Amino acid sequence: QKEVEQNSGPLSVPEGAIASLNCTYSDRVSQSFFWYRQYSGKSPELIMSIYSNGDKEDGRFTAQLNKASQYVSLLIRDSQPSDSATYLCAVSPGGFKTIFGAGTRLFVKA
Amino acid sequence: NAGVTQTPKFRILKIGQSMTLQCTQDMNHNYMYWYRQDPGMGLKLIYYSVGAGITDKGEVPNGYNVSRSTTEDFPLRLELAAPSQTSVYFCASSSGTSNYGYTFGSGTRLTVV
Repeated sequence: QKEVEQNSGPLSVPEGAIASLNCTYSDRVSQSFFWYRQYSGKSPELIMSIYSNGDKEDGRFTAQLNKASQYVSLLIRDSQPSDSATYLCAVSPGGFKTIFGAGTRLFVKA
Repeated sequence: NAGVTQTPKFRILKIGQSMTLQCTQDMNHNYMYWYRQDPGMGLKLIYYSVGAGITDKGEVPNGYNVSRSTTEDFPLRLELAAPSQTSVYFCASSSGTSNYGYTFGSGTRLTVV
């Protein structure tokens, strides 16, 4: 079992729809959870962080965390073609270790 | 404010050659990291540093070396390049431990032939 698992996609949604990206992790002691956006040929960019169970909203983005189910998700409301990218889930048990998933490719159709 | 700057952006090496990937940050971050990213794989940690003079191995350190003489600079050295080192390399920094999230440089695309 991979430490951080994501569906590779591509996930295709129409413009204006909600995109739902999911991630599961194996280390139960994980403390910090992140979503990075990576455009093709570019570097990852931190867009959301979440540390406690529940939802965290930032503009059109909502991160959801369920530690009991070892599950973290990212919702993108009113998806735009500019949201088309690969989204990396990252999980940290603390200290200096962060485990990255391989990413989910999102394609928003205009 | 440049953030994290990496050079070069692209490089082709022949098998057995050596090179240094440069990374510098101007955010006064103590924590710096080197990752490699291969197609379909997550980012893999090569080395990290928690401050000037302090470095440690990550998940995939073989074939690489680092140094951290200043807070700003964290170069990655490849000795005796091998085709398996063909990858995209990212330098990152953070203000604290991994709980804080990272700021990444623009990356170096390295091909070993």
